Amino acid sequence: DAKTTQPTSMDCAEGRAANLPCNHSTISGNEYVYWYRQIHSQGPQYIIHGLKNNETNEMASLIITEDRKSSTLILPHATLRDTAVYYCTTSATGANNLFFGTGTRLTVIP
Amino acid sequence: NAGVTQTPKFQVLKTGQSMTLQCAQDMNHEYMSWYRQDPGMGLRLIHYSVGAGITDQGEVPNGYNVSRSTTEDFPLRLLSAAPSQTSVYFCASSVGTQETQYFGPGTRLLVL
Repeated sequence: DAKTTQPTSMDCAEGRAANLPCNHSTISGNEYVYWYRQIHSQGPQYIIHGLKNNETNEMASLIITEDRKSSTLILPHATLRDTAVYYCTTSATGANNLFFGTGTRLTVIP
Repeated sequence: NAGVTQTPKFQVLKTGQSMTLQCAQDMNHEYMSWYRQDPGMGLRLIHYSVGAGITDQGEVPNGYNVSRSTTEDFPLRLLSAAPSQTSVYFCASSVGTQETQYFGPGTRLLVL
């Protein structure tokens, strides 16, 4: 399974778009890109996932580069409640799938 | 649906004691897994199961046992607790191995 690298921390002004990058340069063709977040000490929460195409849901947008070696999670209008650790991960077929690194700690500033 | 539930929420053990962390899901998910989270380490996979009667080891299985007698339950057993097992433990479930994982609220374990 592909490993991912993310910046350790980022700040974003409230109301602005938060763009969180992730590098997954060793991703294979059948691996999905998943994003989760963990608010305070709660269990991780699913945000969005994709394989090749860009995806959008009510929480966020996911932009995957054409070579699939990196992706960006976009929170279009960040709020204080979006302050959390964001994990980018990949999953392939096979049960031993998700690798969670240390994620990006996003702080939304009033 | 209650989703994924974990008990207890918090536990203190003495070195050498054994205990079972409970995990249950009511979504009829086939895949279940256990992670531990240590400060600055992200989440690490301990054990996982692709269905009732089937379990396998993850990244850090030593010191832990699991069983999956039913689809709903996936308990994690600490055989002889050690201070190195002080951590936050999360259980997760999903429909399949490539599907979205749903996490429980976690169990905070302190081993003295």
